[in-house]
Amino acid sequence: AQSVTQLDSQVPVFEEAPVELRCNYSSSVSVYLFWYVQYPNQGLQLLLKYLSGSTLVKGINGFEAEFNKSQTSFHLRKPSVHISDTAEYFCAVSDWRYSSASKIIFGSGTRLSIRP
Amino acid sequence: EAGVTQFPSHSVIEKGQTVTLRCDPISGHDNLYWYRRVMGKEIKFLLHFVKESKQDESGMPNNRFLAERTGGTYSTLKVQPAELEDSGVYFCASSPARSGGLNYGYTFGSGTRLTVV
Repeated sequence: AQSVTQLDSQVPVFEEAPVELRCNYSSSVSVYLFWYVQYPNQGLQLLLKYLSGSTLVKGINGFEAEFNKSQTSFHLRKPSVHISDTAEYFCAVSDWRYSSASKIIFGSGTRLSIRP
Repeated sequence: EAGVTQFPSHSVIEKGQTVTLRCDPISGHDNLYWYRRVMGKEIKFLLHFVKESKQDESGMPNNRFLAERTGGTYSTLKVQPAELEDSGVYFCASSPARSGGLNYGYTFGSGTRLTVV
């Protein structure tokens, strides 16, 4: 069975500082990996996804993530955060064995709070 | 194009009552998913429709939950009777048909916040 672990439930960081949100997954097969963001009072928005190819994936709003198969990690990073990045971030995994769309498994989320 | 629409956005009901949540997927999206987040916990899969058929309902918690997608368009999720532990945010998502699904990712709605008192 697949699972996703987000190691930090909350991450406080100062504005313009770099940030890394950690995500580890477990799966017996190859996977697709995602990061979603939920801004206050909004729905889930896709930040970026890894399907195949380059292990460094760039997403919206200056975020990027690196897929590390040997460490089964998919950490999210941003070199300089802004107040508007305050949100909850979810790492997610999906099983690619099936060519049809498959359910995704979410981590428990990391709340990113930006201090001025 | 319009996104995934869910309503109501909030619902407060008493234990034992019935509530029906609705999801309108993006037009033309064959795949429709329901997820739920109970406070402080992870977002959990409930079920997956392909058009009007239930592809996977392994996440449905019990028989108090009934999901339908008549005609393969919008979907409803009914909780009857509601219990306190059903409180949470219910998300709906949609994605295109088989060949495009994961290449496009899922589009989520804003969710329905259900509070059972």
